[in-house]
Amino acid sequence: GEDVEQSLFLSVREGDSSVINCTYTDSSSTYLYWYKQEPGAGLQLLTYIFSNMDMKQDQRLTVLLNKKDKHLSLRIADTQTGDSAIYFCARAGNNRKLIWGLGTSLAVNP
Amino acid sequence: EAQVTQNPRYLITVTGKKLTVTCSQNMNHEYMSWYRQDPGLGLRQIYYSMNVEVTDKGDVPEGYKVSRKEKRNFPLILESPSPNQTSLYFCASTPGPEVKTQYFGPGTRLLVL
Repeated sequence: GEDVEQSLFLSVREGDSSVINCTYTDSSSTYLYWYKQEPGAGLQLLTYIFSNMDMKQDQRLTVLLNKKDKHLSLRIADTQTGDSAIYFCARAGNNRKLIWGLGTSLAVNP
Repeated sequence: EAQVTQNPRYLITVTGKKLTVTCSQNMNHEYMSWYRQDPGLGLRQIYYSMNVEVTDKGDVPEGYKVSRKEKRNFPLILESPSPNQTSLYFCASTPGPEVKTQYFGPGTRLLVL
């Protein structure tokens, strides 16, 4: 399978919480990332977590890392229509390369 | 403002006509790289550069060249573009040894006819 895997689609109602999941195979990564890509736009770094952390919170965003299961999640509280985008999970590989998931397309329904 | 810029943002060209996509960063970053993004394949690294005059192949380097003559610029060169190089290209830069953050350019959408 792919090194970094994500489900391709997620649909939520406005105001609900969104949880986007990611699994990876290489446990040696030091950093794991969440990027956001809005339609027709570039990649925006949302947040990152160091591998010795379990959780990181930044306003509406909560990142959970389960190193044992190699599972990373991004929770968006009070999801808004402006959160509709593709969310990419990535891990730091060798030579500062980022290894990417294929992205989860989040649709927020009013 | 700290940023990575790419030019052009959109380009339509024909097979075999050499083109260059420029990338420039104003943050004095050592590390720069190029990715291409394709539906169903995600982002794949083309080339990267650890510093001036130091470049190396990424995962999909075929058909591309790069140069790093100065720290701020990292152009991507397609000597003889082919339709399979139609893609969305991103340039990125990173400050130091640890990839704490990677700054991305806005992307260049290339269509090769």
